[in-house]
Amino acid sequence: NAGVTQTPKFQVLKTGQSMTLQCAQDMNHNSMYWYRQDPGMGLRLIYYSASEGTTDKGEVPNGYNVSRLNKREFSLRLESAAPSQTSVYFCASSEGVEYYGYTFGSGTRLTVV
Amino acid sequence: TQLLEQSPQFLSIQEGENLTVYCNSSSVFSSLQWYRQEPGEGPVLLVTVVTGGEVKKLKRLTFQFGDARKDSSLHITAAQPGDTGLYLCAGVVDYKLSFGAGTTVTVRA
Repeated sequence: NAGVTQTPKFQVLKTGQSMTLQCAQDMNHNSMYWYRQDPGMGLRLIYYSASEGTTDKGEVPNGYNVSRLNKREFSLRLESAAPSQTSVYFCASSEGVEYYGYTFGSGTRLTVV
Repeated sequence: TQLLEQSPQFLSIQEGENLTVYCNSSSVFSSLQWYRQEPGEGPVLLVTVVTGGEVKKLKRLTFQFGDARKDSSLHITAAQPGDTGLYLCAGVVDYKLSFGAGTTVTVRA
């Protein structure tokens, strides 16, 4: 029962470096999401994929790109990291939003120096 | 401005006391969800409330959805140190979850 798996758990980047956060789910969910969590601001949606082959912007997409590689995997890429992207990143998946809720991974703590 | 406003932001109580966390909005939601998040982990779904006026109980936790479906509350009876965590409410907007900023609950032994 792995659920949603995120890698890496921790990462330190220098300003301007790039990296990809990986996410995989084994629950056969159609929808997947990337959120960032900052103190006092709750969880904010970066990008989501309602189904395999589709991706859409969320509330705070600037500086990020995503790829829905297949039904299981949804990656988040930072092309040129900035200190403002220091945050904890969560991937989530869902069967259906209204009644089933989201299943979250354990997060990636990213620091950009 | 958060679509969902949670209060209080922080709550520290002694073991055995009761507490209530509030989640308010000016928008009407078809459902609201409550999550609990522990340090270093992702949020975990506690409950979904769907019908206006609905009350759901999960052991010592009682969740209520307002009659107008704009607000919700979480009440914990006889809190225990294991109840410590960040409590988040969330509502569906355009088929995606929007979260409140959360209430950090600390239960002292």
